[in-house]
Amino acid sequence: DTGVSQNPRHKITKRGQNVTFRCDPISEHNRLYWYRQTLGQGPEFLTYFQNEAQLEKSRLLSDRFSAERPKGSFSTLEIQRTEQGDSAMYLCASSLNLAGGYFGPGTRLTVT
Amino acid sequence: EDQVTQSPEALRLQEGESSSLNCSYTVSGLRGLFWYRQDPGKGPEFLFTLYSAGEEKEKERLKATLTKKESFLHITAPKPEDSATYLCAVRSTDSWGKFQFGAGTQVVVTP
Repeated sequence: DTGVSQNPRHKITKRGQNVTFRCDPISEHNRLYWYRQTLGQGPEFLTYFQNEAQLEKSRLLSDRFSAERPKGSFSTLEIQRTEQGDSAMYLCASSLNLAGGYFGPGTRLTVT
Repeated sequence: EDQVTQSPEALRLQEGESSSLNCSYTVSGLRGLFWYRQDPGKGPEFLFTLYSAGEEKEKERLKATLTKKESFLHITAPKPEDSATYLCAVRSTDSWGKFQFGAGTQVVVTP
């Protein structure tokens, strides 16, 4: 068990560019979650998958954000037309059913 | 909507000075309360899950307890390596999938 991995660990991009992040969950976990965290705040829910099905998206998530989990394995989170307000740490977590979630190290996004 | 409030926002302790962190929650139906530890620049590290009032979990110097409205994380005789932000999260029957997090309590333990 190597834990949850995320790539890249850091991403600097210019406003208006598209970015994509990848998350590889713990292999036997069927649930995968994406969160966003800014300094001094708790993680904010973005979306989650059970196997390959995306079951819930945050109402706060604009249509510039999209996530996929093909074949119920790894997941990608894409942000189109990035804005400075998108700068944050993007966290991925996985869990087996309703057990506690295990988080990855995060991807820090800086939009200039 | 589910709400999670943690207090205090920050806590400074002397090494060996025990204390408690509070997590108050409002949910339609609790389907788990989770404690995490987060070090700067890293992802949260899972500590405990509590499911029902009266339940307690322990790990080294940490002990988590749960009532119908709140949870406490007790830190007994803390050491400097216990310095971190401690996050509380709930899962409710309104949304079986997501963890709803509080803002966290930043704990600093000085030698």
